[in-house]
Amino acid sequence: EAGVTQSPTHLIKTRGQQATLRCSPISGHTSVYWYQQALGLGLQFLLWYDEGEERNRGNFPPRFSGRQFPNYSSELNVNALELEDSALYLCASSLSDNYEQYFGPGTRLTVT
Amino acid sequence: GEDVEQSLFLSVREGDSSVINCTYTDSSSTYLYWYKQEPGAGLQLLTYIFSNMDMKQDQRLTVLLNKKDKHLSLRIADTQTGDSAIYFCAESIPGGYNKLIFGAGTRLAVHP
Repeated sequence: EAGVTQSPTHLIKTRGQQATLRCSPISGHTSVYWYQQALGLGLQFLLWYDEGEERNRGNFPPRFSGRQFPNYSSELNVNALELEDSALYLCASSLSDNYEQYFGPGTRLTVT
Repeated sequence: GEDVEQSLFLSVREGDSSVINCTYTDSSSTYLYWYKQEPGAGLQLLTYIFSNMDMKQDQRLTVLLNKKDKHLSLRIADTQTGDSAIYFCAESIPGGYNKLIFGAGTRLAVHP
């Protein structure tokens, strides 16, 4: 069974640009989660999508947004990139209302 | 409040047992997790325990939960060099809308 996949593996952007990160959940999973792993800040919850709806949002500014598609894949968009947005962005998936979250390999975003 | 704390580093000899400790503050935590992260990789779900249990064993892994002291531990028996990684403790709380709260991670170094 294929795990959670994320693309791209690496992304380099300049300050002020927009970044789009993609995630495909495990087959049969309807919930997708996004976490940011920044140096010195640890793993922080960003967003949770389930059945196409945003269910919960972490303490991040509105320039972090996303969506979930009918096939349950998801996009994370980061607008007006700042240097401190440089981090590993991890996507996880689970069955709806299930507490087992399985993570993908991450997208490393570097903002210069 | 939501806070999970772990010691940052543990060094063990190959073949010995490793014990990684974690404390959490939210007494209403429902599930407590252990994840493993190898260099350059995402998070691997190792095991989790429901808050009404005090122990769970899975092959070389033993999880102990002391709910009174809000203390969680992960014991790895017969530690191997392949166990070298960062281990994250995480909690989920009711009404937390599936958000996981992570500790800073414990770096386990296994030496011959």
